[in-house]
Amino acid sequence: DAGVIQSPRHEVTEMGQEVTLRCKPISGHDYLFWYRQTMMRGLELLIYFNNNVPIDDSGMPEDRFSAKMPNASFSTLKIQPSEPRDSAVYFCASRRGGRAYEQYFGPGTRLTVT
Amino acid sequence: QQQVKQSPQSLIVQKGGISIINCAYENTAFDYFPWYQQFPGKGPALLIAIRPDVSEKKEGRFTISFNKSAKQFSLHIMDSQPGDSATYFCAASIKAAGNKLTFGGGTRVLVKP
Repeated sequence: DAGVIQSPRHEVTEMGQEVTLRCKPISGHDYLFWYRQTMMRGLELLIYFNNNVPIDDSGMPEDRFSAKMPNASFSTLKIQPSEPRDSAVYFCASRRGGRAYEQYFGPGTRLTVT
Repeated sequence: QQQVKQSPQSLIVQKGGISIINCAYENTAFDYFPWYQQFPGKGPALLIAIRPDVSEKKEGRFTISFNKSAKQFSLHIMDSQPGDSATYFCAASIKAAGNKLTFGGGTRVLVKP
């Protein structure tokens, strides 16, 4: 089992650029979550999907952020345009329906916006 | 609005000692309380979890104590080892709300040899 795969692991970009983060959930998991982790705000849920459908995006900070899940094995989180305050570690997690507590996190993408 | 408050932010314990991390919540609708462990450069990983109908759960050296009336729960790490040095997060969720996890602020634990 490869676990949740995220790419890139590190991203450095300039303010105003578009950033796309990618996630491959564990095969067979039907829930996918995007989190953001910062020192100031801790671990925040941005959005989650069930069976590729966005269920709750109330944590998405603003319209610059968007997320898609075109199929069961791939999701993207896009920031356009990026700002320095978006600098954080972004985690993707997945779980199987019926196993509510067993979220499996990926290794994260460290984003730095200069 | 922080719905789950965690303390302390950090703690240092000697090898063999007991690490205690506390969390408090306000929303009585929470019905699941997991703890996650995170090592530097890694994503959080589920450590142990409890439901509010149980007052204590133990798995190896890790124990969760739950006080429903006080709306508090805690993690005890017995016989702490240097390998336990990590950041620990408590969390809470509501089944009826899709089991979204609300995390506490985290506690950085350092176990000195």
